[in-house]
Amino acid sequence: GAVVSQHPSWVICKSGTSVKIECRSLDFQATTMFWYRQFPKQSLMLMATSNEGSKATYEQGVEKDKFLINHASLTLSTLTVTSAHPEDSSFYICSARVGVEVRSDTQYFGPGTRLTVL
Amino acid sequence: QKEVEQDPGPLSVPEGAIVSLNCTYSNSAFQYFMWYRQYSRKGPELLMYTYSSGNKEDGRFTAQVDKSSKYISLFIRDSQPSDSATYLCAMTRGKLIFGQGTELSVKP
Repeated sequence: GAVVSQHPSWVICKSGTSVKIECRSLDFQATTMFWYRQFPKQSLMLMATSNEGSKATYEQGVEKDKFLINHASLTLSTLTVTSAHPEDSSFYICSARVGVEVRSDTQYFGPGTRLTVL
Repeated sequence: QKEVEQDPGPLSVPEGAIVSLNCTYSNSAFQYFMWYRQYSRKGPELLMYTYSSGNKEDGRFTAQVDKSSKYISLFIRDSQPSDSATYLCAMTRGKLIFGQGTELSVKP
């Protein structure tokens, strides 16, 4: 149980284009999903918290107009990188919180999406 | 100073060795402590999850928490080449804060 998928797993795009990444909880409903970014040899940095049916909460320093998050259903959240530039190249990982126990914050992670912007 | 400090390694051990991975933290508000394993180009996988000070064992893995010293550890017994991965400690204070990750290589 608690499987999270991401699509695509790898995307290459030209500078200036937009890219959409999907995150799905396959066998459970996720009220809250999270988007992380990871640079090589570095840890995961939280970008935003996404709650179903409401606007995402972005971490300090993350441009909400550049990284558009939509959490339209209890099993799907999307991250759109708008007008992508080479510095946006990174590994993007989503996660989903199981259940409503916020204190413990047990999250299950997707396999990640590697974005390369040329 | 980072809230969570973890030695990035890399750490290389022979097969069968006992591995000790450690993290320190500065914020006493952290309540729950996790260890994740991340293989190259994959998402993190939850390994262990603890709340209170003390030890928690699961197969070859033991997680240890010392809240008084703000120190957590993960021990891997009888390490296997398949254990080669990056190990991330994480802790919660309303959101999940990760350590930098320790890259482990277990040589046959």
